[in-house]
Amino acid sequence: KQEVTQIPAALSVPEGENLVLNCSFTDSAIYNLQWFRQDPGKGLTSLLLIQSSQREQTSGRLNASLDKSSGRSTLYIAASQPGDSATYLCAVNRDDKIIFGKGTRLHILP
Amino acid sequence: AAGVIQSPRHLIKEKRETATLKCYPIPRHDTVYWYQQGPGQDPQFLISFYEKMQSDKGSIPDRFSAQQFSDYHSELNMSSLELGDSALYFCASSLPGGAGYGYTFGSGTRLTVV
Repeated sequence: KQEVTQIPAALSVPEGENLVLNCSFTDSAIYNLQWFRQDPGKGLTSLLLIQSSQREQTSGRLNASLDKSSGRSTLYIAASQPGDSATYLCAVNRDDKIIFGKGTRLHILP
Repeated sequence: AAGVIQSPRHLIKEKRETATLKCYPIPRHDTVYWYQQGPGQDPQFLISFYEKMQSDKGSIPDRFSAQQFSDYHSELNMSSLELGDSALYFCASSLPGGAGYGYTFGSGTRLTVV
């Protein structure tokens, strides 16, 4: 059974710092991996999608990497801003069903 | 760009009542997924449909049923509501062969059972 773990569960950093969020999964036979952002009580916004054959994807200040063989992905956020405060969810896709991690609650201190 | 539309945004029901949640996928998306997210929890897969047929089933209670219609919109019907059904319900859609294209989620329906 696929399990997705995100570390840390919560993170507070001063504005302007670069940070890394970690995601690990137990079954490396995945189609792709998606990172989502969720603001409190709101929907899920897709940030980056990495196919199983890819190593990384970039969008603005965000960079996500994927090491499928070791079951790991990281989301790198450069020059963090207070508006980045949210919960970040990692989700792996296999058998046309996505399994979410429990998320990292990120708080950027002004 | 068009997104996944869910209605209603908020719903308050009493115990033992029935609720119907609606999801309108992005045009040309033929696969719809339903997820339930309890307070402080990660989203849990309920059920999915591909080309109007149920394609997969997760931890969906027998009190819940869903279907996808000819226009590809989907409805989640929830009967005999319990307090524990209070949650955010998300719908997502994907293109044919959705595995490779990722998923787009709607803004969710917040159901409160009192």
